[in-house]
Amino acid sequence: LAKTTQPISMDSYEGQEVNITCSHNNIATNDYITWYQQFPSQGPRFIIQGYKTKVTNEVASLFIPADRKSSTLSLPRVSLSDTAVYYCLVGYSSASKIIFGSGTRLSIRP
Amino acid sequence: DAEITQSPRHKITETGRQVTLACHQTWNHNNMFWYRQDLGHGLRLIHYSYGVQDTNKGEVSDGYSVSRSNTEDLPLTLESAASSQTSVYFCASRPSGSEDEQFFGPGTRLTVL
Repeated sequence: LAKTTQPISMDSYEGQEVNITCSHNNIATNDYITWYQQFPSQGPRFIIQGYKTKVTNEVASLFIPADRKSSTLSLPRVSLSDTAVYYCLVGYSSASKIIFGSGTRLSIRP
Repeated sequence: DAEITQSPRHKITETGRQVTLACHQTWNHNNMFWYRQDLGHGLRLIHYSYGVQDTNKGEVSDGYSVSRSNTEDLPLTLESAASSQTSVYFCASRPSGSEDEQFFGPGTRLTVL
């Protein structure tokens, strides 16, 4: 099972672009990369998922280099409401034992 | 709208008591999961199920059990609650056969005194 490493915490300001990088050196061929967001006292919520190159949705972009040993979650023009913990996960659906690391605590200031 | 619910949302119990946490989803998902989250940590998988009558142990399954008698429910039982099981418990579900996202419930905060 691929282990992920992300920064423990990050700070930024409203209106800035925030990039959170996750390392997953032993990612397997079948593994997808998924990011979740968690607010206090709530369950995690899916943000974005990708396999390679770049994926973009209405919330974020996910950049995955060719070797897939890392990925970067990009949040454009953050607001105070983006203050949360962000988890990077790698896994394959049949494995099911997708491991949540400690996540990155993102704090957005006015 | 389809949803996933957990009950109770808060529970205080005593060491040695049996406790059951309920999880119910209306998406008809085959895959269901139970996680625990301790302060300042990520989620750790307790048990999971791929369908009715199927249950599997996760990385922290000792002291916990689950049963899957229908698609909608996966109750989590603490056979003899211990203080080390004080935590926030999250249930999740996901469609089978894909990399689709997991949908998480609102969580149950359990305190074992």
